Amino acid sequence: SQKIEQNSEALNIQEGKTATLTCNYTNYSPAYLQWYRQDPGRGPVFLLLIRENEKEKRKERLKVTFDTTLKQSLFHITASQPADSATYLCALGGFNKFYFGSGTKLNVKP
Amino acid sequence: DGGITQSPKYLFRKEGQNVTLSCEQNLNHDAMYWYRQDPGQGLRLIYYSQIVNDFQKGDIAEGYSVSREKKESFPLTVTSAQKNPTAFYLCASSIGTGRSSYNSPLHFGNGTRLTVT
Repeated sequence: SQKIEQNSEALNIQEGKTATLTCNYTNYSPAYLQWYRQDPGRGPVFLLLIRENEKEKRKERLKVTFDTTLKQSLFHITASQPADSATYLCALGGFNKFYFGSGTKLNVKP
Repeated sequence: DGGITQSPKYLFRKEGQNVTLSCEQNLNHDAMYWYRQDPGQGLRLIYYSQIVNDFQKGDIAEGYSVSREKKESFPLTVTSAQKNPTAFYLCASSIGTGRSSYNSPLHFGNGTRLTVT
């Protein structure tokens, strides 16, 4: 079965630095990969989608890369702010299904 | 303001009782989903529905049931057969069905935290 791995340890960085989160997957060839943000006690919020034929996607301070050879996606937040502190989930797109990683908690310290 | 409403936010039940979680959307989305979230685990799909009066089992459907009588509503019943029902339940919807579901992001409600003792 497919397996999606995100670093379970929290990522602690200083305000203004670039945060990089990793999503690795096995036993799957998704056509799409999505990233979501989840705050405590709330539902995930969609951030970015990247297709298998796209190497990189940007939206404001966010950048996502998708390497289908390495089976890996990297999610970058540049010029990070304390308000970026949250858990970030990656999700692989399947036919009428999305498979989610367990998320990585990001702490941005002022 | 369009969105997904889940109610109640917190729910407490005794073991052996069935309980129904509400999910309503006014986004005019065709597809709706129920996920379960446990600490340290990814969201796991319970059931999904692409169209009214039709739904399919997800990866962990045992002990759960759903109905889709209206496009806007997709209630989830946690039955007494569910062995470990305490969890955070998330309802979601997306605009696409079939192949277009690939690139349709999910819109989530803010969840119902169910505690069964």
